[in-house]
Amino acid sequence: EDKVVQSPLSLVVHEGDTVTLNCSYEVTNFRSLLWYKQEKKAPTFLFMLTSSGIEKKSGRLSSILDKKELFSILNITATQTGDSAIYLCAVIGGSNYKLTFGKGTLLTVNP
Amino acid sequence: DADVTQTPRNRITKTGKRIMLECSQTKGHDRMYWYRQDPGLGLRLIYYSFDVKDINKGEISDGYSVSRQAQAKFSLSLESAIPNQTALYFCATALEALDTQYFGPGTRLTVL
Repeated sequence: EDKVVQSPLSLVVHEGDTVTLNCSYEVTNFRSLLWYKQEKKAPTFLFMLTSSGIEKKSGRLSSILDKKELFSILNITATQTGDSAIYLCAVIGGSNYKLTFGKGTLLTVNP
Repeated sequence: DADVTQTPRNRITKTGKRIMLECSQTKGHDRMYWYRQDPGLGLRLIYYSFDVKDINKGEISDGYSVSRQAQAKFSLSLESAIPNQTALYFCATALEALDTQYFGPGTRLTVL
């Protein structure tokens, strides 16, 4: 059975801190890994990672994939209260290239 | 205008009632998905469809059925709602298998 595990499940930090969110996976026929941000509504796409060792970056957010060790990390530097959200990791793989989600990391950034 | 829309946005119903949740998209995507989200459990796939004639069960399809009326429309039905189907339901679309999925705004369903 395909599995995606995120850690920590929740995290509370202060504005300005740097955070690292983890995602490990066991998926047959791995194709790519995605990160989404979910505030009080639908998940919104952040990154898609397909190749090992290539960092994707968008402003203060960055992510990297290690296909040998089967994990990815999402870094957020200089956190702001607007970064408070659930961060979802998902992997495309398995039969029919389904998307399997982790349970998410709830990030709370306090002023 | 939103590319992926869901109706209704909120619904409260009673045990045993039949409920239909609707999803429409203007993105021209062939692939459509229904997920439910429960606190602490993440998003779980209920059904997915690669085109009008291709519908597949996800990991938690029991108690649900779907209809793909057109490329742009994918409906989820609960034939006889039960309280443990109370959840947030999302529809999503994708252009291709390896494409990112784009989510609708969600339907919050409460079954009393």
